[in-house]
Amino acid sequence: GAGVSQSPRYKVAKRGQDVALRCDPISGHVSLFWYQQALGQGPEFLTYFQNEAQLDKSGLPSDRFFAERPEGSVSTLKIQRTQQEDSAVYLCASSPDKPGLDEQYFGPGTRLTVT
Amino acid sequence: DAKTTQPPSMDCAEGRAANLPCNHSTISGNEYVYWYRQIHSQGPQYIIHGLKNNETNEMASLIITEDRKSSTLILPHATLRDTAVYYCIVRYDTGRRALTFGSGTRLQVQP
Repeated sequence: GAGVSQSPRYKVAKRGQDVALRCDPISGHVSLFWYQQALGQGPEFLTYFQNEAQLDKSGLPSDRFFAERPEGSVSTLKIQRTQQEDSAVYLCASSPDKPGLDEQYFGPGTRLTVT
Repeated sequence: DAKTTQPPSMDCAEGRAANLPCNHSTISGNEYVYWYRQIHSQGPQYIIHGLKNNETNEMASLIITEDRKSSTLILPHATLRDTAVYYCIVRYDTGRRALTFGSGTRLQVQP
């Protein structure tokens, strides 16, 4: 399909483990976003890339969270030394970022459970 | 970005119009009103957006009051598949690119 894909869809990690979450955006989309969604709440912004440049990382909750998009396409969100409060759904979105065409297309998310 | 206020939940009968309100009294002149929805276990889905004029697409209509302090999303003939959480978001078309989601309105379409 031509939508945003994320992998894995589900991840269980023991507290203290490192995890890596992958996002494949829609081909040709310039902008890529990561959001975190806790149970019963709306998504919250984590970070934003325009091509390979990380232009906004103001939403990353701590220095344990790191994101990259080295070739301006696939992105990885890494969480080091996971803690229980990191349990959430992590959503990736991409956007063509053209005038009048800046709506964001979301993937299905990765549900992370830290035990 | 301006803050929005939405009712936490609404019910609608299948086949009837669903009218979802949103208050954004602190909206500024250059901020757009966006609507997204999130069906259970899926990522949010873009529905529609507008600045001043009313807008319509294949999914919904957006009615923005003249003072722009509130808006209504209209699903003209709700189906069971429209059951979702609907988020009203206001955002500049330039500058910060992130969407600021609130708690949204949980719409339950009843058979």
